[in-house]
Amino acid sequence: EPEVTQTPSHQVTQMGQEVILRCVPISNHLYFYWYRQILGQKVEFLVSFYNNEISEKSEIFDDQFSVERPDGSNFTLKIRSTKLEDSAMYFCATFDTGGMNEQFFGPGTRLTVL
Amino acid sequence: QKEVEQNSGPLSVPEGAIASLNCTYSDRGSQSFFWYRQYSGKSPELIMFIYSNGDKEDGRFTAQLNKASQYVSLLIRDSQPSDSATYLCAVRNYGQNFVFGPGTRLSVLP
Repeated sequence: EPEVTQTPSHQVTQMGQEVILRCVPISNHLYFYWYRQILGQKVEFLVSFYNNEISEKSEIFDDQFSVERPDGSNFTLKIRSTKLEDSAMYFCATFDTGGMNEQFFGPGTRLTVL
Repeated sequence: QKEVEQNSGPLSVPEGAIASLNCTYSDRGSQSFFWYRQYSGKSPELIMFIYSNGDKEDGRFTAQLNKASQYVSLLIRDSQPSDSATYLCAVRNYGQNFVFGPGTRLSVLP
């Protein structure tokens, strides 16, 4: 069964450092998403990506964040200068607008900012 | 601001009972509604989705949608301890983006 993969599973970084979180979407899916979930809190939408450009972004997704699909397969989330409050689980998800209309989540990357 | 509300729980039910989880949403333009299960430290996994008013059944799960009341629910029949998890309601409007509720923690007691 196709699945979304994410690397790394856990990233520890110092405040102010840049991090890049990587996702490999399911190959025939067209919509990609990044979500954040702070420990004990709800899943929060960050950004959606379609046809190689951002289609929508939330208030959380400020200038410190960026997304790109550098090589046509990987989908990355970059945080330019991490803050303590960026510590969270980051989930990549892809959406199939075909028959099932199902959003598949990757296993997540746990980001810890020290 | 599009909001999705759920009781945070915990909701405790005995094994074999019916668990009833509720969700309300603020955006009348919402088109489709999803229930996810999330175990601690894991990613959400889809249980089922519903688009039309009424009931939709899938095994032990039944989703119920009432667009007039902006209300969607999930019933779990014959609850098992393995059903103990946080259940997330998610709503999608005409766009392709999803808004998640805070989740309801369900505990099924053996």
